[in-house]
Amino acid sequence: QQPVQSPQAVILREGEDAVINCSSSKALYSVHWYRQKHGEAPVFLMILLKGGEQKGHEKISASFNEKKQQSSLYLTASQLSYSGTYFCGTANGQNFVFGPGTRLSVLP
Amino acid sequence: EAGVAQSPRYKIIEKRQSVAFWCNPISGHATLYWYQQILGQGPKLLIQFQNNGVVDDSQLPKDRFSAERLKGVDSTLKIQPAKLEDSAVYLCASSLATGWQPDQPQHFGDGTRLSIL
Repeated sequence: QQPVQSPQAVILREGEDAVINCSSSKALYSVHWYRQKHGEAPVFLMILLKGGEQKGHEKISASFNEKKQQSSLYLTASQLSYSGTYFCGTANGQNFVFGPGTRLSVLP
Repeated sequence: EAGVAQSPRYKIIEKRQSVAFWCNPISGHATLYWYQQILGQGPKLLIQFQNNGVVDDSQLPKDRFSAERLKGVDSTLKIQPAKLEDSAVYLCASSLATGWQPDQPQHFGDGTRLSIL
């Protein structure tokens, strides 16, 4: 019941946009997004609750399609500091599970 | 606000030895999680406490792993005896959730990197 993330990895130039997707086969109550830099702890970005809302955090926003059990993370005008591995975490019933991660590399 | 504290940061042991990790969550956080993160993978939940009670330990290898949170604050995770496949980063996280609250974020400590020789 681990969520699926795509793509597995993406390489961008500074200023370019990226989309990271997270999908589950289970009905979801919420989707969490975290970013982890190499050798550091995961850092919380945002939570999407069922209801199809969209949230933003600086130039990073996300959406949650409750009908499709999918969430997308949008990174606009990427900065070097956006590099890292992005994990979605999905809450269904009483369980919370992290996805395998998407490695994002932003080059100058 | 002080973050989640973990120690040690690094530990190297030989297989069949024992090891213990310590975690102090953010003050006031009722829920504490222990995760195992193998290189290149997402964090895998080992055990979840709410105060000093276990909420979920379904993925904890109970023949070798144990964890406790006696006073509902700090927690220890122990491995005895360690196997080669236990090499990973062990992350502790805490949240304000006092029950099933999927809208509460988790705050992570820096983790303990365990290497088994």
